[in-house]
Amino acid sequence: DQQVKQNSPSLSVQEGRISILNCDYTNSMFDYFLWYKKYPAEGPTFLISISSIKDKNEDGRFTVFLNKSAKHLSLHIVPSQPGDSAVYFCAASAILTRGGSEKLVFGKGTKLTVNP
Amino acid sequence: NAGVTQTPKFRILKIGQSMTLQCTQDMNHNYMYWYRQDPGMGLKLIYYSVGAGITDKGEVPNGYNVSRSTTEDFPLRLELAAPSQTSVYFCASTTEPYGYTFGSGTRLTVV
Repeated sequence: DQQVKQNSPSLSVQEGRISILNCDYTNSMFDYFLWYKKYPAEGPTFLISISSIKDKNEDGRFTVFLNKSAKHLSLHIVPSQPGDSAVYFCAASAILTRGGSEKLVFGKGTKLTVNP
Repeated sequence: NAGVTQTPKFRILKIGQSMTLQCTQDMNHNYMYWYRQDPGMGLKLIYYSVGAGITDKGEVPNGYNVSRSTTEDFPLRLELAAPSQTSVYFCASTTEPYGYTFGSGTRLTVV
């Protein structure tokens, strides 16, 4: 049962245009959402996050939107640059009962290609 | 800053062999995690630890074991390697809130 879904395996956009990556989740207990970026042969790196008490968080060219009623979030990259070409993972956090440690549940990822 | 260091980067194992994937972090993070990533799939949690001496199973623990004797180290043990364990393994650590620091991964092939 996939709790975090990224239904688009790939996305291709032109440099300078907007990239929109989508993510849906099923578990209403998730209270924190994150986006990670991964280049080939490297580990994922944290990009941006949003708490469930907010509906938008912005960091430079990156904005994450959260629609709790739809259980949907999206990552907007404006303007897109060739260096943004990578796999983007959506992740959601659910608090574990033991020790209070959060753990992340990841989607399958969306491969973004930004063409010059 | 080294961050999270994983060794080896690549390994080929024969079916039935065993090995240990090493993970070390120098950020004094309490929480550490092992994930695996299969082609076209997201990261799946194998084991995690909330502190030295405490470990617990994640989503896909079968065939693996872990230990956490120090804050810095969180090795992952494969006892009887199987082709289904061919994957890329990522170790991560964090202190609250939420943002994980990942290692660069270990690419394991079982033949």
